Amino acid sequence: GAVVSQHPSRVICKSGTSVKIECRSLDFQATTMFWYRQFPKQSLMLMATSNEGSKATYEQGVEKDKFLINHASLTLSTLTVTSAHPEDSSFYICSAIEGPGRAFFGQGTRLTVV
Amino acid sequence: GQSLEQPSEVTAVEGAIVQINCTYQTSGFYGLSWYQQHDGGAPTFLSYNGLDGLEETGRFSSFLSRSDSYGYLLLQELQMKDSASYFCAVRSGYSTLTFGKGTMLLVSP
Repeated sequence: GAVVSQHPSRVICKSGTSVKIECRSLDFQATTMFWYRQFPKQSLMLMATSNEGSKATYEQGVEKDKFLINHASLTLSTLTVTSAHPEDSSFYICSAIEGPGRAFFGQGTRLTVV
Repeated sequence: GQSLEQPSEVTAVEGAIVQINCTYQTSGFYGLSWYQQHDGGAPTFLSYNGLDGLEETGRFSSFLSRSDSYGYLLLQELQMKDSASYFCAVRSGYSTLTFGKGTMLLVSP
């Protein structure tokens, strides 16, 4: 199956700092990538859809200025959590679609803001 | 809007067969997918049904009835390693997936 690589897998940062998470499609081109957030024992919550060469589409309630998304190439999308606070601590996962109904996910990033 | 319903938890013993149901209400429908997620890991794709009927992949099978807005994932010969969360997801657009809340499967010896 297709491979999506996400980095870093874990990050601890201080309140007020910014953190960048990278998501790469390794063996296919992804014009669209998706960013999810997941709290413990809960489902995947779609945050935004990242579109190559254009602005991301954010879901209702997700702050665009806080969660900056850049999709500069067909294989790379980045999510930057700006001015992070403890409530931003969560598991962030990216995915790309490769074939009908087939989403392939990155390994996820466990963000802890202290 | 989109809504998917699946049981929150299912328990079974090793070697048994378990069925996880998923009903959905969506404004658009192209197909139903299933994903497995182990604790602390990322979801992995299991199967996709774009048409009615049964899709079989090894010990796992998935079924779809579009007229009933219903599908299920069938896991046979359960193993301890199958303990995980299972999510159904509706493909409501070309590349849009909406996930259910997930079913936690606990397999005991």
